[in-house]
Amino acid sequence: GENVEQHPSTLSVQEGDSAVIKCTYSDSASNYFPWYKQELGKGPQLIIDIRSNVGEKKDQRIAVTLNKTAKHFSLHITETQPEDSAVYFCAASKGAAGNKLTFGGGTRVLVKP
Amino acid sequence: EAQVTQNPRYLITVTGKKLTVTCSQNMNHEYMSWYRQDPGLGLRQIYYSMNVEVTDKGDVPEGYKVSRKEKRNFPLILESPSPNQTSLYFCASGLAGAIGDTQYFGPGTRLTVL
Repeated sequence: GENVEQHPSTLSVQEGDSAVIKCTYSDSASNYFPWYKQELGKGPQLIIDIRSNVGEKKDQRIAVTLNKTAKHFSLHITETQPEDSAVYFCAASKGAAGNKLTFGGGTRVLVKP
Repeated sequence: EAQVTQNPRYLITVTGKKLTVTCSQNMNHEYMSWYRQDPGLGLRQIYYSMNVEVTDKGDVPEGYKVSRKEKRNFPLILESPSPNQTSLYFCASGLAGAIGDTQYFGPGTRLTVL
């Protein structure tokens, strides 16, 4: 089955700096890669996603890149703000079984003011 | 407001005492799923349902049961809870159509089994 690895597990950045989280996946058939943000006491919430026919996608301060050949994808957050502090999860799906998502282990991001 | 609700939010119980965690969504979604979240392991799928009366195992189904008698509800049942089921549980729902349909997560249920 699919295996998704996520690094780093914790990330501390200064407000205004950039944050990068990297994920690798094992199943070359995976073709959909969402990123979720989980704030304290809440469920994960989709913040951005990318499909395998696209190399990069951007939404304001966040962007995701995908390298299908290397089977890795990354989340980039620019100009970080304290409200970006949360746990971020990457996931991979190949559209089978109701869009089953395989999640990475999560990255705890702390933005220091 | 479109949402997924779970009850209870917190539960402390003892080994072997049957319990049910309820999940309900008001978005008319066909697809519903249960995940457990453990430190360093991310979220792992327990069971999922593609529609009423259609359920299937996820990656970690042992010790759990589910049912889908109505479209909006998808309860998670632990017949005989054990301490290794202590975890944070999330219910999610979404459309069961094309790949990439957003899954909406509930607020979570923190379960402790003593």
